[in-house]
Parts: sequence; C-alpha cells; structure tokens
Amino acid sequence: DTEVTQTPKHLVMGMTNKKSLKCEQHMGHRAMYWYKQKAKKPPELMFVYSYEKLSINESVPSRFSPECPNSSLLNLHLHALQPEDSALYLCASSQDTSGGAKNIQYFGAGTRLSVL
Amino acid sequence: AQSVSQHNHHVILSEAASLELGCNYSYGGTVNLFWYVQYPGQHLQLLLKYFSGDPLVKGIKGFEAEFIKSKFSFNLRKPSVQWSDTAEYFCAVNAWILTGGGNKLTFGTGTQLKVEL
Repeated sequence: DTEVTQTPKHLVMGMTNKKSLKCEQHMGHRAMYWYKQKAKKPPELMFVYSYEKLSINESVPSRFSPECPNSSLLNLHLHALQPEDSALYLCASSQDTSGGAKNIQYFGAGTRLSVL
Repeated sequence: AQSVSQHNHHVILSEAASLELGCNYSYGGTVNLFWYVQYPGQHLQLLLKYFSGDPLVKGIKGFEAEFIKSKFSFNLRKPSVQWSDTAEYFCAVNAWILTGGGNKLTFGTGTQLKVEL
C-alpha cells in the first residue's frame, strides 16, 4: 500500500479565514513533504519533515504553518491567505531523506485550494 | 542549486507512435532521477527511477528511460503510445542540499502529452 491520503479534496476560504489541510500515511515513512502546484506548473517544495522535525522550509510565508503531530500525520495550517495562494497543495511521504530508494516520494491526490 | 529542464512542453502523437521526452538536469554531485506521471484529475505517480547501475531503466506501462551522465540527461521513451498515456509527465531530480536538511526533489516544468486515436 503506497497511499497518502489528503483531506479535504477541495477548500474555498476567505482571506480572513483560518483552515487546515491534513495528510496521513500508514507506510511507516519518517519523511513527509508539502508541495504547492499552480496550474500547468510543476510542484514546488514548501516544507520537509524528517522524523517529525522540520528540516527544510523553502522560505515559505508565515501565513503557511506546518505541523507534524506524529509520524503518520502532517498538517498545513492556513491563515490570512492571499488569492495568489490558490493552488493544488500536495503532500508526499518517503521512508526517510537519506537518498536512494528510501527517498522515493509517494504523493497524495492533493487539496485544491481557492482563496477568495 | 539543482535545476531540471524539459524541452517539450506540449507533445501530440497518434496512437502507436514512438515517444521520446527530453530531460536535462544541472547538478554537480550524485543525483537520483525520476519520471512521474500525472493523469488528468489524478495524483502524481512514479513511472520509473534511476539510482545507479544500468543506465537504461524500465518502468511501468512500457516506459523506459536512459541516463547519460556525460549529457546530464534522463530521457523518457516508449516505443508505441496509447490513448491512455495522455497525461502530464514530469522529470525530477533528487539531490542533497548543501545547506543541510536532506535531499530535495526538484521537478522539471512538465510535458503535456496528448495521444490521439
């Protein structure tokens, strides 16, 4: 089973709202990732968690706040977003970040976010 | 920093035609190379991967890719495409970030493939 589950599938929020995206995997992976994908563009890395610790933050604005409560769950808390933040947000996981086969990333279907 | 370029942004083929999608990367160290596919409305799926060894790797659905180290290339091929291969294809490079934190996966800009009946 190589399933990464993301909820919700779709989200519409206003610029003053606070919402959260959720990601879950039960493959025993210890690395989890958030990506942002705009229409007709490649996924862009936002955050990497390794063994529940934030290891990479790609200079993402503070209105995006990641959280990894345990090894199976990854959240992305959203607050005061802008319309340009509308995109598909993808979660991925891998065994770890050491490289090689252990770093193969498996992706969820994503949350399509619209900010009004 | 590593970068990945895909030469073809849109490709239209007839069924049974052969496919080759170009991918070049820029990185001086050891890399792991991937091709991912994104079918309409579906999540990114791994097509194939290269870590080391035989530079010709075979993936799912009849796809293969060849790593040419001297050219920093990892081109994707399929001898005979099917209508169901219509999708977006992303080349990706995984490399160690010198500033620490682990490996980073960088995607190319993608190639939209349309296969016509």
